[in-house]
Amino acid sequence: DAGITQSPRHKVTETGTPVTLRCHQTENHRYMYWYRQDPGHGLRLIHYSYGVKDTDKGEVSDGYSVSRSKTEDFLLTLESATSSQTSVYFCAISAGTGKRRTYEQYFGPGTRLTVT
Amino acid sequence: AQSVTQLDSQVPVFEEAPVELRCNYSSSVSVYLFWYVQYPNQGLQLLLKYLSGSTLVKGINGFEAEFNKSQTSFHLRKPSVHISDTAEYFCAVSTTGTASKLTFGTGTRLQVTL
Repeated sequence: DAGITQSPRHKVTETGTPVTLRCHQTENHRYMYWYRQDPGHGLRLIHYSYGVKDTDKGEVSDGYSVSRSKTEDFLLTLESATSSQTSVYFCAISAGTGKRRTYEQYFGPGTRLTVT
Repeated sequence: AQSVTQLDSQVPVFEEAPVELRCNYSSSVSVYLFWYVQYPNQGLQLLLKYLSGSTLVKGINGFEAEFNKSQTSFHLRKPSVHISDTAEYFCAVSTTGTASKLTFGTGTRLQVTL
């Protein structure tokens, strides 16, 4: 258990509304990630963070923004939700830094988002 | 950039039979390799990883995988499956460094039946 929680776990929202998903970790890991999972696509990286206020885009970042103002929280925001953003969203962490870096990632339980 | 191909979207198998889930990758640099399992309505759980050293790696739940650099493959095997192994399995590759990211295959659904 990597001490990762996601909130909310389920959300239904309407097209055009802003939505923020929260990822919280308790073990002070430097690296955090947001993925979306869709049938036939596996997991695709949205954004990632390599430290407080240090973030970068993944392969499917359009329509999403992130913020990391403290180590333990990584927020994913859909500025104006669309039906194509209906998905399951997973947060992940990667442990260690420098030579102690371990490149496997540990995942949270997921948030199921439905945009109607 | 790296990519991962899981050749089989679904693999049906009878309980106690052996199984192999195939994974091929492409990368211009050295990579680390992983297999994850996802049970219904759950997150992903790390099964095993290859970072360096012995090309045969053992993971949890009796699974093992063999890294083959010349064939750029990392196939997952189990000699005797159980009903409880029914799940989705994902192969993933990672480069190193600060900008390291995991790239996932599209997954293989293992369906174990009696």
